[in-house]
Amino acid sequence: KAGVTQTPRYLIKTRGQQVTLSCSPISGHRSVSWYQQTPGQGLQFLFEYFSETQRNKGNFPGRFSGRQFSNSRSEMNVSTLELGDSALYLCASSETGLAGGSSGANVLTFGAGSRLTVL
Amino acid sequence: DQQVKQNSPSLSVQEGRISILNCDYTNSMFDYFLWYKKYPAEGPTFLISISSIKDKNEDGRFTVFLNKSAKHLSLHIVPSQPGDSAVYFCAASAIGVPGNQFYFGTGTSLTVIP
Repeated sequence: KAGVTQTPRYLIKTRGQQVTLSCSPISGHRSVSWYQQTPGQGLQFLFEYFSETQRNKGNFPGRFSGRQFSNSRSEMNVSTLELGDSALYLCASSETGLAGGSSGANVLTFGAGSRLTVL
Repeated sequence: DQQVKQNSPSLSVQEGRISILNCDYTNSMFDYFLWYKKYPAEGPTFLISISSIKDKNEDGRFTVFLNKSAKHLSLHIVPSQPGDSAVYFCAASAIGVPGNQFYFGTGTSLTVIP
């Protein structure tokens, strides 16, 4: 089974530009989540999609947006980039996306991430 | 507001000895906890999990302990091997939160010295 694929792996942008990151989940996984990782902050939840619907959103400004397609692939977009947006953006997929609970079906499987540098 | 905390940014252990990584949380609604391991230039990989109805879960060299009254969990690695050198994240999810949101700690960098 292919893993979670994220593209591009590395990219450099300048302030004010926008960026789109792509994520292909594991086949059969319908839940896709996005996290931002910065030094000292751990992984911060951005948003989660299930069957093309955003079910939850983290505490990030409206410049961060996402969507999910009918084939479960997901994209996230950051507009008007700021220096502080430099981070590793991680996509994760899971089978059912059940909130809470002890089901192994909602264990997140991560991609390798997209490293964004904003100059 | 960091609901999951890993207060030790780094830990060094001799090969063959026990590694103990700690994690504290503040939200009493958390009912499912996971540990992830992350190597540089790779995404985090799932290691082990525990439900709030248990206080211990074991998988080979890895054991996770959960103390609900103290809101504390720990990961024990015995014996530690050089290949275990990585950053370890604990994560938690809560009942009633829409979507599949996990709260992560800031990570502990483990170095196993040969």
